[in-house]
Amino acid sequence: EPEVTQTPSHQVTQMGQEVILRCVPISNHLYFYWYRQILGQKVEFLVSFYNNEISEKSEIFDDQFSVERPDGSNFTLKIRSTKLEDSAMYFCASRESLRGYTFGSGTRLTVV
Amino acid sequence: AQTVTQSQPEMSVQEAETVTLSCTYDTSESDYYLFWYKQPPSRQMILVIRQEAYKQQNATENRFSVNFQKAAKSFSLKISDSQLGDAAMYFCAYYFGSARQLTFGSGTQLTVLP
Repeated sequence: EPEVTQTPSHQVTQMGQEVILRCVPISNHLYFYWYRQILGQKVEFLVSFYNNEISEKSEIFDDQFSVERPDGSNFTLKIRSTKLEDSAMYFCASRESLRGYTFGSGTRLTVV
Repeated sequence: AQTVTQSQPEMSVQEAETVTLSCTYDTSESDYYLFWYKQPPSRQMILVIRQEAYKQQNATENRFSVNFQKAAKSFSLKISDSQLGDAAMYFCAYYFGSARQLTFGSGTQLTVLP
Protein backbone atom coordinates (compact mmCIF):
# COMPACT_ATOMS: atom_id res chain seq x y z
CA GLU A 1 0.00 0.00 0.00
CA PRO A 2 1.50 3.40 -0.99
CA GLU A 3 2.49 5.61 1.94
CA VAL A 4 3.10 9.25 2.69
CA THR A 5 6.52 9.51 4.32
CA GLN A 6 7.44 12.24 6.79
CA THR A 7 10.86 13.05 8.20
CA PRO A 8 12.02 13.51 10.85
CA SER A 9 9.62 11.74 13.20
CA HIS A 10 10.66 14.03 16.05
CA GLN A 11 12.45 17.37 15.92
CA VAL A 12 13.56 19.48 18.84
CA THR A 13 14.51 23.08 18.09
CA GLN A 14 15.29 26.23 19.99
CA MET A 15 12.85 29.12 19.92
CA GLY A 16 13.64 31.48 17.07
CA GLN A 17 15.27 28.83 14.91
CA GLU A 18 14.06 27.84 11.47
CA VAL A 19 12.79 24.30 10.90
CA ILE A 20 11.94 22.42 7.74
CA LEU A 21 9.58 19.47 7.92
CA ARG A 22 9.76 17.10 5.01
CA CYS A 23 7.19 14.94 3.32
CA VAL A 24 7.14 12.62 0.34
CA PRO A 25 3.54 12.33 -0.87
CA ILE A 26 2.22 9.41 -2.87
CA SER A 27 3.60 9.73 -6.37
CA ASN A 28 0.38 9.97 -8.40
CA HIS A 29 -1.45 12.22 -5.96
CA LEU A 30 -2.16 15.78 -7.03
CA TYR A 31 -3.20 17.56 -3.83
CA PHE A 32 -0.96 18.06 -0.83
CA TYR A 33 -1.73 19.30 2.65
CA TRP A 34 -0.23 20.18 6.00
CA TYR A 35 -2.22 19.83 9.21
CA ARG A 36 -1.24 20.54 12.79
CA GLN A 37 -2.33 18.97 16.08
CA ILE A 38 -1.35 20.63 19.33
CA LEU A 39 -1.22 18.02 22.09
CA GLY A 40 -4.69 17.21 23.38
CA GLN A 41 -6.43 19.34 20.77
CA LYS A 42 -8.14 18.77 17.45
CA VAL A 43 -6.37 18.48 14.12
CA GLU A 44 -6.27 21.82 12.30
CA PHE A 45 -5.82 22.58 8.62
CA LEU A 46 -2.80 24.70 7.72
CA VAL A 47 -2.45 24.77 3.94
CA SER A 48 -3.32 22.97 0.72
CA PHE A 49 -1.13 22.87 -2.38
CA TYR A 50 -2.08 22.04 -5.93
CA ASN A 51 -0.40 22.57 -9.29
CA ASN A 52 2.69 24.03 -7.63
CA GLU A 53 0.91 26.72 -5.70
CA ILE A 54 -1.03 27.25 -2.49
CA SER A 55 -4.75 26.70 -3.11
CA GLU A 56 -6.05 27.41 0.42
CA LYS A 57 -4.53 28.43 3.73
CA SER A 58 -5.88 28.92 7.21
CA GLU A 59 -5.46 31.83 9.60
CA ILE A 60 -2.78 29.82 11.38
CA PHE A 61 -0.63 29.82 8.24
CA ASP A 62 0.87 33.27 8.64
CA ASP A 63 4.07 34.77 7.24
CA GLN A 64 6.17 32.54 9.46
CA PHE A 65 5.10 29.53 7.44
CA SER A 66 5.89 28.57 3.87
CA VAL A 67 5.55 25.48 1.73
CA GLU A 68 7.52 24.29 -1.23
CA ARG A 69 7.68 21.42 -3.64
CA PRO A 70 11.36 21.77 -4.58
CA ASP A 71 11.48 18.72 -6.85
CA GLY A 72 9.03 16.15 -8.17
CA SER A 73 8.76 14.21 -4.94
CA ASN A 74 9.29 16.29 -1.78
CA PHE A 75 6.81 18.65 -0.15
CA THR A 76 8.20 20.78 2.68
CA LEU A 77 6.84 23.00 5.42
CA LYS A 78 9.16 25.70 6.72
CA ILE A 79 8.67 27.62 9.92
CA ARG A 80 10.93 30.65 9.80
CA SER A 81 11.31 31.60 13.43
CA THR A 82 9.77 29.03 15.75
CA LYS A 83 7.77 29.97 18.83
CA LEU A 84 6.91 27.83 21.84
CA GLU A 85 3.31 27.61 20.63
CA ASP A 86 4.46 25.97 17.38
CA SER A 87 5.11 22.79 19.37
CA ALA A 88 2.72 20.26 17.87
CA MET A 89 2.38 17.21 15.71
CA TYR A 90 2.53 18.16 12.03
CA PHE A 91 0.85 15.89 9.52
CA CYS A 92 1.42 15.85 5.82
CA ALA A 93 -1.31 14.35 3.62
CA SER A 94 -1.89 13.79 -0.06
CA ARG A 95 -4.96 13.02 -2.10
CA GLU A 96 -5.97 11.81 -5.52
CA SER A 97 -8.71 13.83 -7.19
CA LEU A 98 -11.68 11.75 -6.07
CA ARG A 99 -10.42 9.61 -3.25
CA GLY A 100 -9.77 10.30 0.39
CA TYR A 101 -6.66 11.45 2.10
CA THR A 102 -3.59 9.46 2.99
CA PHE A 103 -1.84 10.89 6.04
CA GLY A 104 1.81 10.53 6.92
CA SER A 105 2.79 9.34 10.37
CA GLY A 106 3.57 12.88 11.49
CA THR A 107 6.51 14.92 12.77
CA ARG A 108 6.48 15.84 16.42
CA LEU A 109 7.96 19.32 16.72
CA THR A 110 9.13 20.44 20.15
CA VAL A 111 10.23 24.05 20.53
CA VAL A 112 12.29 24.76 23.66
CA ALA B 1 -18.55 28.39 9.07
CA GLN B 2 -18.35 24.64 8.77
CA THR B 3 -18.18 22.88 12.13
CA VAL B 4 -17.95 19.31 13.34
CA THR B 5 -19.08 18.46 16.86
CA GLN B 6 -18.26 15.38 18.88
CA SER B 7 -20.15 15.66 22.13
CA GLN B 8 -18.56 12.65 23.86
CA PRO B 9 -14.97 13.43 24.91
CA GLU B 10 -14.60 9.91 26.37
CA MET B 11 -16.36 6.60 25.92
CA SER B 12 -15.70 3.11 27.17
CA VAL B 13 -16.89 -0.29 26.03
CA GLN B 14 -16.45 -3.84 27.19
CA GLU B 15 -14.48 -6.08 24.87
CA ALA B 16 -16.79 -7.85 22.35
CA GLU B 17 -19.59 -5.34 22.96
CA THR B 18 -20.88 -2.63 20.62
CA VAL B 19 -20.30 1.08 21.01
CA THR B 20 -21.58 4.10 19.08
CA LEU B 21 -19.66 7.37 18.77
CA SER B 22 -21.64 10.49 17.91
CA CYS B 23 -20.85 13.24 15.46
CA THR B 24 -22.87 16.16 14.14
CA TYR B 25 -21.83 18.73 11.59
CA ASP B 26 -23.03 21.99 10.22
CA THR B 27 -22.84 22.82 6.55
CA SER B 28 -24.78 24.53 3.79
CA GLU B 29 -23.08 22.43 1.13
CA SER B 30 -24.87 19.63 -0.71
CA ASP B 31 -21.82 17.75 -1.99
CA TYR B 32 -19.47 16.69 0.78
CA TYR B 33 -17.71 13.72 2.33
CA LEU B 34 -17.61 12.50 5.90
CA PHE B 35 -14.90 10.45 7.56
CA TRP B 36 -13.98 8.74 10.77
CA TYR B 37 -10.29 8.61 11.61
CA LYS B 38 -8.63 6.58 14.33
CA GLN B 39 -5.60 7.95 16.16
CA PRO B 40 -3.83 5.39 18.39
CA PRO B 41 -1.16 6.44 20.91
CA SER B 42 1.39 6.53 18.07
CA ARG B 43 -0.64 9.56 16.85
CA GLN B 44 -0.84 8.31 13.28
CA MET B 45 -4.12 9.19 11.52
CA ILE B 46 -5.79 6.04 10.18
CA LEU B 47 -8.89 6.20 8.00
CA VAL B 48 -11.64 4.00 9.43
CA ILE B 49 -14.57 4.72 7.11
CA ARG B 50 -15.86 7.31 4.65
CA GLN B 51 -19.33 8.32 3.49
CA GLU B 52 -20.29 10.33 0.43
CA ALA B 53 -23.19 12.67 1.19
CA TYR B 54 -24.99 11.83 -2.06
CA LYS B 55 -25.19 8.15 -1.10
CA GLN B 56 -28.16 7.18 1.00
CA GLN B 57 -26.73 3.80 1.92
CA ASN B 58 -24.69 3.75 5.11
CA ALA B 59 -21.04 2.82 4.68
CA THR B 60 -19.72 -0.37 6.28
CA GLU B 61 -16.17 -1.65 6.73
CA ASN B 62 -16.03 -4.99 8.54
CA ARG B 63 -16.90 -4.28 12.21
CA PHE B 64 -17.29 -0.54 11.57
CA SER B 65 -20.47 1.02 10.24
CA VAL B 66 -22.02 4.46 10.17
CA ASN B 67 -25.49 5.82 10.68
CA PHE B 68 -25.68 8.77 8.29
CA GLN B 69 -28.71 11.01 8.78
CA LYS B 70 -28.31 13.77 6.21
CA ALA B 71 -31.32 15.85 7.21
CA ALA B 72 -30.26 15.79 10.85
CA LYS B 73 -26.58 16.33 9.88
CA SER B 74 -25.58 13.39 12.00
CA PHE B 75 -22.85 10.84 11.30
CA SER B 76 -22.33 8.29 14.07
CA LEU B 77 -19.83 5.43 14.09
CA LYS B 78 -20.78 2.00 15.37
CA ILE B 79 -18.05 -0.43 16.36
CA SER B 80 -19.26 -4.00 16.75
CA ASP B 81 -17.44 -6.78 18.60
CA SER B 82 -15.02 -4.25 20.11
CA GLN B 83 -11.42 -5.35 20.39
CA LEU B 84 -8.60 -4.11 22.60
CA GLY B 85 -6.88 -2.74 19.49
CA ASP B 86 -9.83 -0.43 18.87
CA ALA B 87 -8.78 1.71 21.83
CA ALA B 88 -7.81 5.07 20.41
CA MET B 89 -8.92 8.64 19.84
CA TYR B 90 -11.57 8.80 17.12
CA PHE B 91 -12.06 11.91 15.03
CA CYS B 92 -15.03 12.72 12.85
CA ALA B 93 -14.12 14.88 9.86
CA TYR B 94 -15.72 16.44 6.82
CA TYR B 95 -14.71 18.08 3.58
CA PHE B 96 -16.31 19.78 0.60
CA GLY B 97 -15.29 21.88 -2.37
CA SER B 98 -12.37 21.69 -4.75
CA ALA B 99 -9.56 22.12 -2.23
CA ARG B 100 -11.26 19.68 0.13
CA GLN B 101 -9.51 20.59 3.34
CA LEU B 102 -10.69 18.49 6.24
CA THR B 103 -12.48 19.99 9.21
CA PHE B 104 -12.12 17.81 12.29
CA GLY B 105 -14.16 17.38 15.42
CA SER B 106 -12.52 17.49 18.83
CA GLY B 107 -12.34 13.72 19.14
CA THR B 108 -13.68 10.94 21.34
CA GLN B 109 -11.24 8.90 23.41
CA LEU B 110 -12.41 5.27 23.32
CA THR B 111 -11.30 2.85 26.03
CA VAL B 112 -11.90 -0.88 25.56
CA LEU B 113 -12.17 -2.78 28.82
CA PRO B 114 -11.03 -6.43 28.92
